[in-house]
Amino acid sequence: DAGITQSPRHKVTETGTPVTLRCHQTENHRYMYWYRQDPGHGLRLIHYSYGVKDTDKGEVSDGYSVSRSKTEDFLLTLESATSSQTSVYFCAISGRGSGNQPQHFGDGTRLSIL
Amino acid sequence: KNEVEQSPQNLTAQEGEFITINCSYSVGISALHWLQQHPGGGIVSLFMLSSGKKKHGRLIATINIQEKHSSLHITASHPRDSAVYICAVGRPTNSGSRLTFGEGTQLTVNP
Repeated sequence: DAGITQSPRHKVTETGTPVTLRCHQTENHRYMYWYRQDPGHGLRLIHYSYGVKDTDKGEVSDGYSVSRSKTEDFLLTLESATSSQTSVYFCAISGRGSGNQPQHFGDGTRLSIL
Repeated sequence: KNEVEQSPQNLTAQEGEFITINCSYSVGISALHWLQQHPGGGIVSLFMLSSGKKKHGRLIATINIQEKHSSLHITASHPRDSAVYICAVGRPTNSGSRLTFGEGTQLTVNP
């Protein structure tokens, strides 16, 4: 299995609080992605990174920010969490642009905003 | 209309049956991916293909680029095949490429 660790695995917090999710990889892959998964929707891309300090927005980036200060870590931050951000969040990695190489997924983080 | 459409949304089969899940897309792609998500939530990549057919064990994936359509077949289905199967297309961007996902097909195989 690809070495991807998401933390925390579960989190419950209140509206308005900041939340940071961490994705850590040991594969030295260039590309890292954050997705959210909600009923009635496929996986949707929040942000992705194509190198250290290089990030770009996905289709549902409002309310989220990311940072990648080193190859192995990709952080997703909700500056002021809202109930609409209750979801399951997945991190993924790939060695090349995802269209041409499979992505490997972390186990997910279940986030509940009350 | 979603850029990636899967059918059916839900599928129930008896053990041993031949299963087909379909995926249609409406955009230019660099590759098409099939993934599996087990009840515990983990997501695993099954296939990546840009033409023709690939086979792995009892799973077969095909793609028709002209028709913008792919199928995932499972032969001799087994209860352990019960999972959500997800189709995704790789689309080029200025900073590499990224995936757009279908909503998934929930497969239940009964013994």
